[in-house]
Amino acid sequence: AQSVTQPDIHITVSEGASLELRCNYSYGATPYLFWYVQSPGQGLQLLLKYFSGDTLVQGIKGFEAEFKRSQSSFNLRKPSVHWSDAAEYFCAVGAGNDMRFGAGTRLTVKP
Amino acid sequence: NAGVMQNPRHLVRRRGQEARLRCSPMKGHSHVYWYRQLPEEGLKFMVYLQKENIIDESGMPKERFSAEFPKEGPSILRIQQVVRGDSAAYFCASSPPKGWATEAFFGQGTRLTVV
Repeated sequence: AQSVTQPDIHITVSEGASLELRCNYSYGATPYLFWYVQSPGQGLQLLLKYFSGDTLVQGIKGFEAEFKRSQSSFNLRKPSVHWSDAAEYFCAVGAGNDMRFGAGTRLTVKP
Repeated sequence: NAGVMQNPRHLVRRRGQEARLRCSPMKGHSHVYWYRQLPEEGLKFMVYLQKENIIDESGMPKERFSAEFPKEGPSILRIQQVVRGDSAAYFCASSPPKGWATEAFFGQGTRLTVV
């Protein structure tokens, strides 16, 4: 059965530091891969998505993610974190109309 | 082009009452998905609908929960005889016919509190 794992429940980084959020998935075939961000009390905003092609995907707000088929991973990265990046981040995998979400990683940014 | 609209944003119900959550998809979108988010958990799929048709309700609890997406009007998620465990944020997403392959947009959610 398909599943998505975000191993880190909570991550704290200093402003200006680099960030990597991990996402591993289990799926029968290469699925579509997404990262969403959720600010407190808000809905989900799409950061980036991977369907095919170049395995390094650029998204909004300076985020990027790399698809590694051999590791079944789709980790999210940002070279320099801003205080406004503090939020909950969700990895999602899907195919067709089936979409599954990870449990999320909460990012805290220290000044 | 307005985004996915959910109302109400906050809903308080006493145990045993009914809760009705509404979702108006984006213009041109014919698919609606409902997800539930419990505290400290990710989004759990509940149901996927097209207009007048339930495609996949594998994530819906067997009792008290129902969903519809009529030909006209918003999609409705109905919870009968609510219990405290139903307290959660309920999110709706909509997409064009190609589904997630294009992009699904989320509403801002309805936060249900059962007292």
